[in-house]
Amino acid sequence: SQTIHQWPATLVQPVGSPLSLECTVEGTSNPNLYWYRQAAGRGLQLLFYSVGIGQISSEVPQNLSASRPQDRQFILSSKKLLLSDSGFYLCAWSSLGQGDYGYTFGSGTRLTVV
Amino acid sequence: GNSVTQMEGPVTLSEEAFLTINCTYTATGYPSLFWYVQYPGEGLQLLLKATKADDKGSNKGFEATYRKETTSFHLEKGSVQVSDSAVYFCALRRDGGTSYGKLTFGQGTILTVHP
Repeated sequence: SQTIHQWPATLVQPVGSPLSLECTVEGTSNPNLYWYRQAAGRGLQLLFYSVGIGQISSEVPQNLSASRPQDRQFILSSKKLLLSDSGFYLCAWSSLGQGDYGYTFGSGTRLTVV
Repeated sequence: GNSVTQMEGPVTLSEEAFLTINCTYTATGYPSLFWYVQYPGEGLQLLLKATKADDKGSNKGFEATYRKETTSFHLEKGSVQVSDSAVYFCALRRDGGTSYGKLTFGQGTILTVHP
């Protein structure tokens, strides 16, 4: 069965520090991968998506970047965090070719920038 | 572009009350429609889905019918429980072309059920 792992679960980082959040998927190949952010009291915003290794598309201009060094690994990074980067970050995967019309989400990382 | 509009929350109900959370969408063509649920401190889980007009998605007592004529996908449950307290997200997905299966979410509706 397919599983998705996301870590860490919570993170408190000072302003100006770097960030690395990791997401891995098991049990599937060539998934579409996504990073979403949920700011406090707001809905979900798509940050990045990837349809293959090394292929990253950014949906909104921001202080963050994403990378996909392996087929089932998706990393969200920042060189210098801002206060506005605080939020709940969710990784997700989908595989259109298998007839699944939805996403599977990770359990999320709650990031607080102080 | 694609968009999803959900009713404003929060929604507060007593146990066994009837629930409706409205969702309308704007999209070209025939999107797939979803409801996701987020329990406190957790990620999102797929609650139900519908992939074509007049389809009814159902799960755990929740239902939603894909109404193309009104571009709606309202979530309903006949008798809510305290354990249904969560945030509910309506979403659409346009497949094909350059959409790459991206989901467009509504703002989410907080539901609180009291005993």
